[in-house]
Amino acid sequence: QKEVEQDPGPLSVPEGAIVSLNCTYSNSAFQYFMWYRQYSRKGPELLMYTYSSGNKEDGRFTAQVDKSSKYISLFIRDSQPSDSATYLCAMTGGTDKLIFGTGTRLQVFP
Amino acid sequence: DSGVTQTPKHLITATGQRVTLRCSPRSGDLSVYWYQQSLDQGLQFLIQYYNGEERAKGNILERFSAQQFPDLHSELNLSSLELGDSALYFCASSLQGVNSPLHFGNGTRLTVT
Repeated sequence: QKEVEQDPGPLSVPEGAIVSLNCTYSNSAFQYFMWYRQYSRKGPELLMYTYSSGNKEDGRFTAQVDKSSKYISLFIRDSQPSDSATYLCAMTGGTDKLIFGTGTRLQVFP
Repeated sequence: DSGVTQTPKHLITATGQRVTLRCSPRSGDLSVYWYQQSLDQGLQFLIQYYNGEERAKGNILERFSAQQFPDLHSELNLSSLELGDSALYFCASSLQGVNSPLHFGNGTRLTVT
């Protein structure tokens, strides 16, 4: 079993939809959670960074962490074609390496 | 722009050869990380340096080595290259360790023929 599981998709939604992206993990020591967006042939770009449980909002993006369920989510409101990319979750206990999910490919069509 | 610079952008070489990938971290960042991303694979952690010292090692092959120099730039050396080493190699940097956000460069695309 991988430490971090993420559905590879692809996820195809119409413009304006609310998108939900998720990751599950097995290591209860994970405390720092991140979401990255990666466009084709580009490096991952940090979207959200959260510590421990709870919600964090930044514009159209909301990150949620549920440590009791070992489950994290990224919501994108009012999705745009420019949001079409691969979304990677990543997490760490803080002293060890950062573990990435395999990424979910998102397509937002006009 | 993340502030992390990687050179070269593309590299094409033959099996058995050796190449060097270079990374300049964001100004002020002390940690440098190397990741490999192959088709259908996620980001695989290779190695981390912090202020010139090796901090953590992932699934890095013995044919691969890295170092971080006093000016904090880093180099990843890949030798005895095989076809399976063809991949995108990303460098990332962070202020301190993995508890601070990582910022990635745009990668070096290595093709081994």
